[in-house]
This record gives sequence, C-alpha cells and structure tokens, in this order.
Amino acid sequence: DAGITQSPRHKVTETGTPVTLRCHQTENHRYMYWYRQDPGHGLRLIHYSYGVKDTDKGEVSDGYSVSRSKTEDFLLTLESATSSQTSVYFCAISEPGQGVVWSGANVLTFGAGSRLTVL
Amino acid sequence: SQQGEEDPQALSIQEGENATMNCSYKTSINNLQWYRQNSGRGLVHLILIRSNEREKHSGRLRVTLDTSKKSSSLLITASRAADTASYFCATVPAGGGYQKVTFGTGTKLQVIP
Repeated sequence: DAGITQSPRHKVTETGTPVTLRCHQTENHRYMYWYRQDPGHGLRLIHYSYGVKDTDKGEVSDGYSVSRSKTEDFLLTLESATSSQTSVYFCAISEPGQGVVWSGANVLTFGAGSRLTVL
Repeated sequence: SQQGEEDPQALSIQEGENATMNCSYKTSINNLQWYRQNSGRGLVHLILIRSNEREKHSGRLRVTLDTSKKSSSLLITASRAADTASYFCATVPAGGGYQKVTFGTGTKLQVIP
C-alpha cells in the first residue's frame, strides 16, 4: 500500500446522506481508479482519471461522481448514499507509459480499501 | 458484466501441493494479469502475460495463456500456508481503452498447513 492511502478506512452512514472517499498518492502516477468489491462480483470499475480534471466512467458509475483537482488526489462522491452502495471501495493507480506513449502493460497498485456501510 | 470469470470459486489444498486456478474472458486482450488479495487488504500484482506470449514463470508461479480459447491459468507450485488468499485475473483490452482494466470474480485459495 506504499504510496497510496485511502480515507476514511471505515464509514457507516445513513441512506440519503452524501459521502466522499479520498484517495491520495505520492507516486505521481497519471492514472487513478475507483473500484468497488462485492461478494460474487469481484472488482468493478466505477470511474477513472487520466489526468487533472480528466475523468471517465467505468461499468458501474451510476450514483457516483469523481473529481481530480490535483495529480495526487482522486475523490469519489456518493451524492445520496443508498444501501446498494454498501461495499468495499478500492483506489488504484497506474502509470501506463511516458507521456502519450503506452508501455503496453498498465499494472495497477491498490490502496488498502475503504469499507462503507449504508444503513 | 465481468470480463473474467475464475474457476474454481474456492480451492482448499494441503501445504506442498500445487494449486491451479483458471480464468476465462470474453473480448480480445492486450495482456492478462494476476493479482492476489489477502483478507482485508488491497490487491497486489503478481504477474503479467502479454497476448503474444503463451507461458510465463515467476518464482513458484506459472501462468499460461490461450488466446484462441480466451483463457488463462495460474499454477502455484509447492504451496505454502502463506499463499492463502484470493486470486484475481485482470484483463487489459486490445485496441485501445487500456485504462479499463477488468477483473474477474476471483478464486479463494486455502492452503492447510
């Protein structure tokens, strides 16, 4: 988990409240990702960012928004949390190449996860 | 929908035995990766195999890739209790969109001392 921290690590909230999870990296990687992990589903991509203010949707983006105002921080916001968003959320980072040249790999480094419970 | 599906979902073996887990995927890939997750922790990258490779080794790990069958296998030889973890395959799509790394549902491995 070196170089990437998630906060909070645990949170319990009520339905309808806003929640923001923070991912902070010290690796200066261009790419940052938010995944959710649920039993039977593995990890599913919510949103990712390929630079400051540059983000795109993943396969389960409904109900989530993201922001990246600095290279090192990627925020995931649940505007109005629902019980279906109870999950473990993982942030990941990668540096798939130099500049616009892709290395041909894209290996992810993960944070320790944030467990969110929506009651 | 998941790109990768792992088989078996759970595997229990004795220490010293070999563990084999399989991954099937749906679309063309640039590379396939395997990750390990210890309970309550984040995923850790183990090994990557590119679409033009058929087999790769790293220590006690052996990965094979069959692009015609869209499948991969991970073999852990001489397993140890410390190998107890969940293992996930992940695919990086071909033809662009490499940012969308897609994970399978995982195999939970238990190695009994």
